[in-house]
Amino acid sequence: DGGITQSPKYLFRKEGQNVTLSCEQNLNHDAMYWYRQDPGQGLRLIYYSQIVNDFQKGDIAEGYSVSREKKESFPLTVTSAQKNPTAFYLCASSNGQGNTIYFGEGSWLTVV
Amino acid sequence: GESVGLHLPTLSVQEGDNSIINCAYSNSASDYFIWYKQESGKGPQFIIDIRSNMDKRQGQRVTVLLNKTVKHLSLQIAATQPGDSAVYFCADTTDSWGKLQFGAGTQVVVTP
Repeated sequence: DGGITQSPKYLFRKEGQNVTLSCEQNLNHDAMYWYRQDPGQGLRLIYYSQIVNDFQKGDIAEGYSVSREKKESFPLTVTSAQKNPTAFYLCASSNGQGNTIYFGEGSWLTVV
Repeated sequence: GESVGLHLPTLSVQEGDNSIINCAYSNSASDYFIWYKQESGKGPQFIIDIRSNMDKRQGQRVTVLLNKTVKHLSLQIAATQPGDSAVYFCADTTDSWGKLQFGAGTQVVVTP
C-alpha cells in the first residue's frame, strides 16, 4: 500500500526522557512535515523539510528536533526540553509546489 | 484559518440534509485552500481543495466555495450521511511548499 506510516501509534514518556516518533512515506514526495494537535484544536506546524538533508522550523519547534537523511523518512524527536509534550502528532508529505498535503494516521504521546 | 479556542463549534445535521461548514481565513495572500475530514483518533483525510483563481469547485457530494473578498471558505456536503460525522478543518497556505495554517475545526454530528 502507498502512503504515510507513523509509529508507534501510542507512546508513553517519562519525565526527562527523549522519545522519537517515526514517519515513513513511499509516495516519493519531496516535502515532509510534522504537526502537533492538542484536544479540540487545529494543527500546528513543528518542523518541515523540502528536501533531503534540509529542514526548517515551523511555528512551535522549541523542544523538538528532526532529521532528513533519506527522502522517505522524517523522524521527530521530542526532547526533555519540551515542557508539555502530551499531544497527537501527525506526519504529512506532499510533492511541494502547492500540491496537496497528505497525512499519516498519527501518534499519541503521553507523559507519565 | 485561525485557532479560536478549545471548544469546537458543532453542526448538527439530520441524515439526508445538506451541510454547510464555514471557515474564515486571515491572510489575504493565501492562494491555496484545502478541506480535511478528521475522524476521532485518526489523521486528517483530504476532501477537496481550491486555488485562489477559482471561486467554486465540486467533488463527489462536496462543493467548496471561496470568497476572497471577505476571506471566507465554505464546504457543502450534499445528502449528509452518518459516515460524514467527523471534525472538518479548513487550511490555507501562501507558500508553494504548502505550509498549511489550520482553523480550529467544526464538529459535524449527523443524526438519524
